[in-house]
Amino acid sequence: GAVVSQHPSWVICKSGTSVKIECRSLDFQATTMFWYRQFPKQSLMLMATSNEGSKATYEQGVEKDKFLINHASLTLSTLTVTSAHPEDSSFYICSATWAVRGTGELFFGEGSRLTVL
Amino acid sequence: GQQLNQSPQSMFIQEGEDVSMNCTSSSIFNTWLWYKQDPGEGPVLLIALYKAGELTSNGRLTAQFGITRKDSFLNISASIPSDVGIYFCAGLYNTDKLIFGTGTRLQVFP
Repeated sequence: GAVVSQHPSWVICKSGTSVKIECRSLDFQATTMFWYRQFPKQSLMLMATSNEGSKATYEQGVEKDKFLINHASLTLSTLTVTSAHPEDSSFYICSATWAVRGTGELFFGEGSRLTVL
Repeated sequence: GQQLNQSPQSMFIQEGEDVSMNCTSSSIFNTWLWYKQDPGEGPVLLIALYKAGELTSNGRLTAQFGITRKDSFLNISASIPSDVGIYFCAGLYNTDKLIFGTGTRLQVFP
C-alpha cells in the first residue's frame, strides 16, 4: 500500500520553543493531507485539512496561529507547533490521500510524539 | 457534535477466542471504516464499509455496516497474540474527513 512517513518520530523540547513535524508521501502525490492529534488513551482528533498550494482548513477549537501548517508540495506537509507548552504534548499523526475520492481509505504516518518540558 | 462510541472499552481474552466489538453513532454515516493502531504507531485500515447492511470480511476479520447507518460491528475470529492493539471505528464525512470512535483496547493472552 501507499506509504506515508513522518519525521521526527519523537521530539522533546523546552516550553516556549517551536517544533516542526514533517509528513511525506513516499510513493504517491498527496493532494490532501490531514493532521490529527491523539492524547494518551484517547482517540484521534482531526486538527486540520491541508491542500497543496492553499491555506489549511482548521477544525473548530484548533488555533491556526499556534499550529502552522504548510503544504508546499504534493509530497510534503509540515506542522509547526509554535511556542509549545506542556499541554501541547501529544501524539501527532498525519494522513494523506491522492485524490478527493470519498472512500475514507486514508494512509496514515507512523506518528510523532511531542513532549514539551 | 458528532460522536462515535465504541464498546467495550477494553477486552482481555485468551488466544483462540473470538472477539466482537461495536460502534454506535448519533449521526448517520455513509461510510464506516475500522482501523487498528499498535502502540506508538499510526492507525492501519482493516475494513471499509460503503453500503448499509454490508457484511465484509478480511481474513479473520468480519465487519458489518448497520442498516440504520448509525452503527457497525467488528468480529475477530480465533484471536492470536498479534491482534493486540487498539481498534477504532471511523465514520467518513465531508468527503475525506474521518471522525474516530473512542476505541476498544484488545489484549490477548497466550
